[in-house]
Parts: sequence; structure tokens; C-alpha cells
Amino acid sequence: DAGVIQSPRHEVTEMGQEVTLRCKPISGHNSLFWYRQTMMRGLELLIYFNNNVPIDDSGMPEDRFSAKMPNASFSTLKIQPSEPRDSAVYFCASSSSPNQPQHFGDGTRLSIL
Amino acid sequence: SQQGEEDPQALSIQEGENATMNCSYKTSINNLQWYRQNSGRGLVHLILIRSNEREKHSGRLRVTLDTSKKSSSLLITASRAADTASYFCATDESNTGKLIFGQGTTLQVKP
Repeated sequence: DAGVIQSPRHEVTEMGQEVTLRCKPISGHNSLFWYRQTMMRGLELLIYFNNNVPIDDSGMPEDRFSAKMPNASFSTLKIQPSEPRDSAVYFCASSSSPNQPQHFGDGTRLSIL
Repeated sequence: SQQGEEDPQALSIQEGENATMNCSYKTSINNLQWYRQNSGRGLVHLILIRSNEREKHSGRLRVTLDTSKKSSSLLITASRAADTASYFCATDESNTGKLIFGQGTTLQVKP
């Protein structure tokens, strides 16, 4: 079975540019989570969706960040405009229901110059 | 904010030895989960233990949970070089899937 698929795996861009990260959850999973991992702050939950509906976005750091889930098989995390402090590894995870184990993608390593 | 504090931050052992990692947390939880992360990869779920459980096993893994002390431990028996990774505990306070992760323990198993 295909796991959670994230793209791109690596992204390098200049500050001020728009960045879009993509995620395809495991088929049949109803919950989707976006995380950010840095050395300083560890792994932080940014936002999660149940049945394509955003449930909790309290972890989204600023209005520059937005996430959408237009259908059950696709989600995006957008940063506009990007800043150097947004550099991190961004993970997407999905689960069959909210309180079940989460399956992570391999992440997008984002570098903002 | 970090809920789990893990101890030790780093652990280096020889193949065949046992590895024990500890996690402490601050608030009441519904369940606690352990994940493994290999370098450059996403996290992989290992074990989920619910607040009304005290111990769980999966292969060479043993997890304990003491809700009175707000702590959990992960024991890996007969370690292998392939167990080299970072290990994270994560707590779910409200059974919503909103996990709060600790900073992790980096385990190195030397062949």
C-alpha cells in the first residue's frame, strides 16, 4: 500500500516567495495533520482536518500560513510570503480516525534564503 | 508547547543490550504513543497505550505507563544496529488526535 506522499521532498526559495507544500494521505484515512519540525522547537502540530474540515488551526504560526483540503485525497500547506524563519521540515500525517496511530510522509525540507 | 520531556536526550549502547527511554508529561492524557524516526525520514508509529493500561508489548518493545507519576517508558530488548534512530513520545489529551510530542531520545546502537 502507498503511504502518505508529500511533494516536493526539498524546496529552496528566496524570502518573499510563495511556497506550496502538497500531501496525499493514505486512501480511506479521514484525518490529516500538518507538522513542522525544527531543532529548536521540535515537532509542532500546525493544523489538522477531519473529513476534509479544519478542526484545529491553533498551531498555525501566522496569517502567512494557510492550509486547505479540497478533497479526501489532497491537502496543501501554503506560506505567503515566506521568511527565513520558516525553514524547517514539514510533515504531513494521516490516520483512519482521529484517535488512531498516525502515518507520516517523509516530509518536505524547506529552506528559505 | 512541549508536553513530553524525554530522558535521556541521547543514548549509545552495544548491539544486544537493552535500551530504556523515559517520557514525562504534565497534564492528564487519553493515550500516549511512541514513534521512531530514522534520519531523513518521517515518523513511524510503534505503540499506543491508553490511560487505563499499564503495560503493552510489541515484539522487542515494551511500554509502561504510570499515570500517577505522569510518566512512560519504552524498553527495546536485544537491540540491533537497525534500531538506531530517534524515539519520540506523544500525548493525546483529548482523544482527538491532537498529539503533543516530546523532544525525543536519539539512540545509537553500535554493531
